[in-house]
Amino acid sequence: AQKITQTQPGMFVQEKEAVTLDCTYDTSDPSYGLFWYKQPSSGEMIFLIYQGSYDQQNATEGRYSLNFQKARKSANLVISASQLGDSAMYFCAMREGSSGGSNYKLTFGKGTLLTVNP
Amino acid sequence: DARVTQTPRHKVTEMGQEVTMRCQPILGHNTVFWYRQTMMQGLELLAYFRNRAPLDDSGMPKDRFSAEMPDATLATLKIQPSEPRDSAVYFCASGLVQGRTGYTFGSGTRLTVV
Repeated sequence: AQKITQTQPGMFVQEKEAVTLDCTYDTSDPSYGLFWYKQPSSGEMIFLIYQGSYDQQNATEGRYSLNFQKARKSANLVISASQLGDSAMYFCAMREGSSGGSNYKLTFGKGTLLTVNP
Repeated sequence: DARVTQTPRHKVTEMGQEVTMRCQPILGHNTVFWYRQTMMQGLELLAYFRNRAPLDDSGMPKDRFSAEMPDATLATLKIQPSEPRDSAVYFCASGLVQGRTGYTFGSGTRLTVV
């Protein structure tokens, strides 16, 4: 079974609008962390935001926020006021804890290609 | 800003040749990952180390790939012999095992095996 599922291969959004990128995860470990990365066409991997499984509040970093719904095992990324420079591939990743043998492995989803239209 | 340095940035080699990719993690980071990225498979975890000890290399084809961390400033990924299907971008990333600041990725090595 896939640990991280990103069901949207591609998304389009108009400049200045908000967009939500979906991510669901699968783990039986009570302690885990969820990450979002951005990969522009240049190829580098840029860390955006982190959410810990025990965090009481949703994470926010500037225009990025994480809609964390633990019971549904979803960690959707919300980008507000989209900019042309937000056009990129976005990856959701999960780091599981030490129980069950995962030993803090970091696993990525397949990614969502976001295109921001002017 | 501290960086993860990967060399070489690009490598073109003939099938059957040995390829060595190097990574200098950020000083103080205790976890190092090697990933391979292809269009078909996405980001695949090949191996990772904590405090220089290999924790998991189950994602790596053992007959031809090997990963080592001879010291805290160097991680290597070796392919011998290389095959065309190994063509991909190979990323190294480092971070703290339970850090909240994310893992820092290198710029990657784009490998082409002809």
